[in-house]
Amino acid sequence: GQNIDQPTEMTATEGAIVQINCTYQTSGFNGLFWYQQHAGEAPTFLSYNVLDGLEEKGRFSSFLSRSKGYSYLLLKELQMKDSASYLCAVRDSNYQLIWGAGTKLIIKP
Amino acid sequence: NAGVTQTPKFRVLKTGQSMTLLCAQDMNHEYMYWYRQDPGMGLRLIHYSVGEGTTAKGEVPDGYNVSRLKKQNFLLGLESAAPSQTSVYFCASSAPGQGSDEQFFGPGTRLTVL
Repeated sequence: GQNIDQPTEMTATEGAIVQINCTYQTSGFNGLFWYQQHAGEAPTFLSYNVLDGLEEKGRFSSFLSRSKGYSYLLLKELQMKDSASYLCAVRDSNYQLIWGAGTKLIIKP
Repeated sequence: NAGVTQTPKFRVLKTGQSMTLLCAQDMNHEYMYWYRQDPGMGLRLIHYSVGEGTTAKGEVPDGYNVSRLKKQNFLLGLESAAPSQTSVYFCASSAPGQGSDEQFFGPGTRLTVL
């Protein structure tokens, strides 16, 4: 079956760095997405990786290793507004997104 | 640009009642999707459409029907609501072949079935 695993919850301190991991087993691979979802709101797109390596976008970076079925989202200089759930999703061979359950990130002052 | 909009935002139904959720997008996207989101689970695809007049089943289609009569609208119907359909429903749209083809989401509809 298809599976996306990510930690349920993480806690970090304002100003620090946090890494959220995602491992996947899917039928085919056509890219990996990270979305941010604040409580009670819609998911919003953060990053996309289709080739191995690091993609950097401001304070956020995302890494992919296709051979290991592994990705991480790195958030630097954490701010209180970064408190949210972070969703990992993989586009499979049918071009459908398979979603992880999300990682709730709690930022403490 | 409103992006993706959904109506209604909240709804309470009794078991056996029917309702239609409306999704509209003004980005001229070909693809549209309906998901449900439940606590502790990832988003699950209910139905999707790759163009006006086309629909297809996703992972959890039972108990739902959809229609895409116009490119900008995607309707989700519940024929006979059940408590198991209590969830948050998200509509999304995307434009295939444009970069990462990320999905853009509406604000969600919170549905409770008693």
